Amino acid sequence: GAVVSQHPSRVICKSGTSVKIECRSLDFQATTMFWYRQFPKQSLMLMATSNEGSKATYEQGVEKDKFLINHASLTLSTLTVTSAHPEDSSFYICSATWAPGGHEQFFGPGTRLTVL
Amino acid sequence: DQQVKQNSPSLSVQEGRISILNCDYTNSMFDYFLWYKKYPAEGPTFLISISSIKDKNEDGRFTVFLNKSAKHLSLHIVPSQPGDSAVYFCAASETSGTYKYIFGTGTRLKVLA
Repeated sequence: GAVVSQHPSRVICKSGTSVKIECRSLDFQATTMFWYRQFPKQSLMLMATSNEGSKATYEQGVEKDKFLINHASLTLSTLTVTSAHPEDSSFYICSATWAPGGHEQFFGPGTRLTVL
Repeated sequence: DQQVKQNSPSLSVQEGRISILNCDYTNSMFDYFLWYKKYPAEGPTFLISISSIKDKNEDGRFTVFLNKSAKHLSLHIVPSQPGDSAVYFCAASETSGTYKYIFGTGTRLKVLA
């Protein structure tokens, strides 16, 4: 149980375009979803916390208008990288948690974004 | 400001021996800690966790030790196996907060056959 999927697994786009990444909890309802990014050989940096039906809470230094997060249902959150630039190229990972079920976050497999 | 640190970026251990991975934190409000294993281009996989009310938690070959006074935790893997080779991240959280994790910088473990 507790499977989280991400789509797409890999995306290449041109500079200036927008890219949407989906995160789904497949077998449980996720009250909270988290978005992370990881640069090569670095740690996972939390970008934002997303609760179903409410606005996401962004970490310091993360641009809200650049990284749009929507958590429309208890099983789906989306991250849209708007007007992508090469410096946005990174590995984006989501996680989901069902708070009443415990403290553990279940992670998706990640999405590799490359902006040309 | 790195609140969770793993000071050893890499570690090599012989198969069958013990692997000890260390993690230090600065925020005394953290009361829940986890270890994750990660392969390149994949999401992290949960290994083991520990609440601050305990000082040790064991699950098979994995044991996590917590020293609250030193703000230090460690993961012991005994015996180490080549399949354990991966990057290991510790994470810390406040259970009274938003459940968000702060990850350490990671330690790349290589278990030599």
